[in-house]
Amino acid sequence: DSGVTQTPKHLITATGQRVTLRCSPRSGDLSVYWYQQSLDQGLQFLIQYYNGEERAKGNILERFSAQQFPDLHSELNLSSLELGDSALYFCASSVVGGHNSPLHFGNGTRLTVT
Amino acid sequence: TQLLEQSPQFLSIQEGENLTVYCNSSSVFSSLQWYRQEPGEGPVLLVTVVTGGEVKKLKRLTFQFGDARKDSSLHITAAQPGDTGLYLCAATTWQGGGSNYKLTFGKGTLLTVNP
Repeated sequence: DSGVTQTPKHLITATGQRVTLRCSPRSGDLSVYWYQQSLDQGLQFLIQYYNGEERAKGNILERFSAQQFPDLHSELNLSSLELGDSALYFCASSVVGGHNSPLHFGNGTRLTVT
Repeated sequence: TQLLEQSPQFLSIQEGENLTVYCNSSSVFSSLQWYRQEPGEGPVLLVTVVTGGEVKKLKRLTFQFGDARKDSSLHITAAQPGDTGLYLCAATTWQGGGSNYKLTFGKGTLLTVNP
């Protein structure tokens, strides 16, 4: 058990809809990362937050947004969903955002857009 | 172009065999991490290598970081069915600013060890 909690585990929704994925980081970790994993693209970095502020941005679409709250949990909002957004979405956390900090991953949310 | 190229993409072997998987790039990295991901779970960190030429051992797993810090390999001795999973390498790249680093993953090697 990594200590990172993601909810929901599975999500099925229709195109055009909006969903919110939630992540509770490991106790003591200040940094939260969101990744998208698909068969063809692998694990793609979306965005990182550190202590409530955006730290780094990756291949995140404009239809997607995220935030980290004062209690350090994070939410990833996906809107105007398309079939191609179907994927596994992982949250990870680390103590700090340094380059040697190991990431602790949750078990992911599997999103299916129909 | 993928920053990190992992090979082979798929590997199926029998229990007891040895194997090596590779992670290559044309870029120099500050550090490189190896993760293993099992079905239905998130990746789990196995090791971090930082120094060029560094070799780290974790039971039957041996990790090596290339001298030029552009490549790495993972060697498994006497593979067991419990070693089955997706092996991912991830490298740190600097994004600019004070400590703004990003961890980029390869697509992984899917290893199946048959009993």
